[in-house]
Amino acid sequence: EDKVVQSPLSLVVHEGDTVTLNCSYEVTNFRSLLWYKQEKKAPTFLFMLTSSGIEKKSGRLSSILDKKELFSILNITATQTGDSAVYLCAVSTGALNFGKGTSLLVTP
Amino acid sequence: NAGVTQTPKFQVLKTGQSMTLQCAQDMNHEYMSWYRQDPGMGLRLIHYSVGAGITDQGEVPNGYNVSRSTTEDFPLRLLSAAPSQTSVYFCASSFTLGGVETQYFGPGTRLLVL
Repeated sequence: EDKVVQSPLSLVVHEGDTVTLNCSYEVTNFRSLLWYKQEKKAPTFLFMLTSSGIEKKSGRLSSILDKKELFSILNITATQTGDSAVYLCAVSTGALNFGKGTSLLVTP
Repeated sequence: NAGVTQTPKFQVLKTGQSMTLQCAQDMNHEYMSWYRQDPGMGLRLIHYSVGAGITDQGEVPNGYNVSRSTTEDFPLRLLSAAPSQTSVYFCASSFTLGGVETQYFGPGTRLLVL
């Protein structure tokens, strides 16, 4: 059975902190790993990772994949209150297998 | 392009009623899927389709039917609604390029079954 596990489940930080969100997986037929940000609506796409060791960056967010150890991390530096959301990790095997998400709250 | 559209945005049903959640995409994507999202459970795959005329079950298919008569439309049917089907439902479509898949989500349908 394909499995995607995210940690921590929830996190509270102060503005300006740096956070690291984790996603580990056990799947057959790995195609890619995707990160989404979800506020009170549909998930919005952040990154797609297919190769190990290549960091993807977008502003204060970055992500990297380790296909040997079967995990990915999402880093957010200098957090802002607008970063408060649920961050979803999904692994594509043909279908998308989602983790349960990490709920991030950034306080002023 | 309108992307992925879903109707209705919100629906209240009584136990035992039936209804169809509509999903359409205008991007000519072959792959479409339905997810439900519940607190603490993340997004779970209900049914998916790899092209017109082809559907398959996902992780939580019981109580739901789908059909794919056209590339554009992928309706989800609840034959006899139950309170356990209270959830937010997301439809998605995707394409694969160079072996890499990109998915687009609809805005969601919030369903309450009393």
